[in-house]
Amino acid sequence: GENVEQHPSTLSVQEGDSAVIKCTYSDSASNYFPWYKQELGKRPQLIIDIRSNVGEKKDQRIAVTLNKTAKHFSLHITETQPEDSAVYFCAAGYNNAGNMLTFGGGTRLMVKP
Amino acid sequence: SQTIHQWPATLVQPVGSPLSLECTVEGTSNPNLYWYRQAAGRGLQLLFYSVGIGQISSEVPQNLSASRPQDRQFILSSKKLLLSDSGFYLCAWTGNSYEQYFGPGTRLTVT
Repeated sequence: GENVEQHPSTLSVQEGDSAVIKCTYSDSASNYFPWYKQELGKRPQLIIDIRSNVGEKKDQRIAVTLNKTAKHFSLHITETQPEDSAVYFCAAGYNNAGNMLTFGGGTRLMVKP
Repeated sequence: SQTIHQWPATLVQPVGSPLSLECTVEGTSNPNLYWYRQAAGRGLQLLFYSVGIGQISSEVPQNLSASRPQDRQFILSSKKLLLSDSGFYLCAWTGNSYEQYFGPGTRLTVT
């Protein structure tokens, strides 16, 4: 089955700096890569996703990049703000019978004001 | 638009007691449904998923079970809770596309 590794497990940045979270996956059949943000005590929220037919996608201060050859993808947050502090999860999936996702272990991002 | 509900929001149960958590989705038909558990400070563990009424696949064999009695209803049950069952239980759904959306969750404490 699919295995997703996520690094780092914790990340502390100064407000205004950039943050990068990296994930690797094992199954070359995976073609969908979402990122979720989970604030303390809340549900994970889908913030951005990328499919295997593109290499990069941006949405304001957030961008994701995908390298299918190397089987890794990354989340980039620019101009970080205190409200970006949360746990971020990457995931990988493909259009199987259940559209299941395999999640990484999560990254706790702390943005210091 | 689609909405996903879970109840109860919080639950405190003694060891050995039964459990029933409910999840319902509005605004869509024939969704794929999922139950996840998240231990404190940990990642998301997929417990069960369902692609249709009465169709349940288990990812982690435990003292938990799931049922889907109606198209947009997914239930997580246990006959006897263990201390290790404590956690944040999240229901999620997908439609025809890949995007998976989570419900608000149920925080279960087994004492």
